[in-house]
Amino acid sequence: QLQLQESGPGLVKPSETLSLTCTVSGGSISSSSYYWGWIRQPPGKGLEWIGSIYYSGSTYYNPSLKSRVTISVDTSKNQFSLKLSSVTAADTAVYYCARLFVVAPHFDYWGQGTLVTVSS
Amino acid sequence: DIQMTQSPSSLSASVGDRVTITCQASQDISNYLNWYQQKPGKAPKLLIYDASNLETGVPSRFSGSGSGTDFTFTISSLQPEDIATYYCQQYDNLPPSLTFGGGTKVEIK
Repeated sequence: QLQLQESGPGLVKPSETLSLTCTVSGGSISSSSYYWGWIRQPPGKGLEWIGSIYYSGSTYYNPSLKSRVTISVDTSKNQFSLKLSSVTAADTAVYYCARLFVVAPHFDYWGQGTLVTVSS
Repeated sequence: DIQMTQSPSSLSASVGDRVTITCQASQDISNYLNWYQQKPGKAPKLLIYDASNLETGVPSRFSGSGSGTDFTFTISSLQPEDIATYYCQQYDNLPPSLTFGGGTKVEIK
């Protein structure tokens, strides 16, 4: 059974960089059938796609966040990571990692999510 | 960018009722439309992909239809365990991007 687990600091100071890692177990991140993505959800609000990455390193990002986002992949560790720079309180959210099926793009497996709070 | 308009934002229905949620895209997205269920404190769960395909293991009372710009999600007979927020999600490949609808909170009357 595929599992995804987010990890990283739960508290980040304003103007700093938020860094999270998603560890994939029970399957290979190098499968050609999937992208891997990050989605966030501010408290009490809806879902926002942040960006996605292929095992080769090919990425695509939400245009509204593109200038601040970097997603990378480490196939040797079966992990992919998110960096979001210059954070503000508006970036406080539950951050989810998920697997994105390539052919019919849908998120079929999700991590449990991790709350990141931006505060001094 | 493609915008997704999901309605209603909330609804209240009785157990056994038929529940319908709609999602409208700002331009043609073919059948690149998926539906998720999210219960409080949990990650979203995929229910329907490609507008009308039921994900493995999902009860048959859930269904989806539509293509182009107008899509519908239906619960044929609402059950207490269906209390959740439902989201549509579209995919556009030029450039590659994904957008979620605003969500519909379903409650029991």
